Amino acid sequence: GDSVTQMEGPVTLSEEAFLTINCTYTATGYPSLFWYVQYPGEGLQLLLKATKADDKGSNKGFEATYRKETTSFHLEKGSVQVSDSAVYFCALVPPPGSARQLTFGSGTQLTVLP
Amino acid sequence: GAVVSQHPSRVICKSGTSVKIECRSLDFQATTMFWYRQFPKKSLMLMATSNEGSKATYEQGVEKDKFLINHASLTLSTLTVTSAHPEDSSFYICSARDELAGGNNEQFFGPGTRLTVL
Repeated sequence: GDSVTQMEGPVTLSEEAFLTINCTYTATGYPSLFWYVQYPGEGLQLLLKATKADDKGSNKGFEATYRKETTSFHLEKGSVQVSDSAVYFCALVPPPGSARQLTFGSGTQLTVLP
Repeated sequence: GAVVSQHPSRVICKSGTSVKIECRSLDFQATTMFWYRQFPKKSLMLMATSNEGSKATYEQGVEKDKFLINHASLTLSTLTVTSAHPEDSSFYICSARDELAGGNNEQFFGPGTRLTVL
């Protein structure tokens, strides 16, 4: 079945540091890929997404590129802020024609120190 | 963007009582909603898929008689935790799929409900 593997945390960085959170997936065909962010005590918010190979999703300074050849969708940000402290989830949805349920990775806790 | 609300945001109840959690899509219609459970510092576990006008589809290992789901309209799904026990304490999150948001059927998440059973 489909699965998502993401970098285990927790990750602790200083403000303005470069962030990478790795995410790889296993799925048939071309799934859609997502990064969600969860701030403390809240639900999930969509951060960015990509629906086909080589697409780059971006939002709030975060970026991720859909790499079919490496089945990856790594999340990056050039300069993190304290307000980026949250849990980040990589997820996929299979292509149309199959059960369209989100499959989540285990989540990566990010803490940014001032 | 599409908004999903949950009510209540936090509930504390005694063991043996039942608790109902509501999930509403505020500005779109959702024939499909999902209920997740999240344990501390863990990922989301899909409990069931709620389909408007029909029975919910439960994931393996989720007791359907324990977690009653009703999706009576295109904007409302409810999860009732029956005869709650302390082990049911968790963070429950719903999501709704916007069937009209392009071909991607994007899901939008509610803010979650923190259930504590004493």
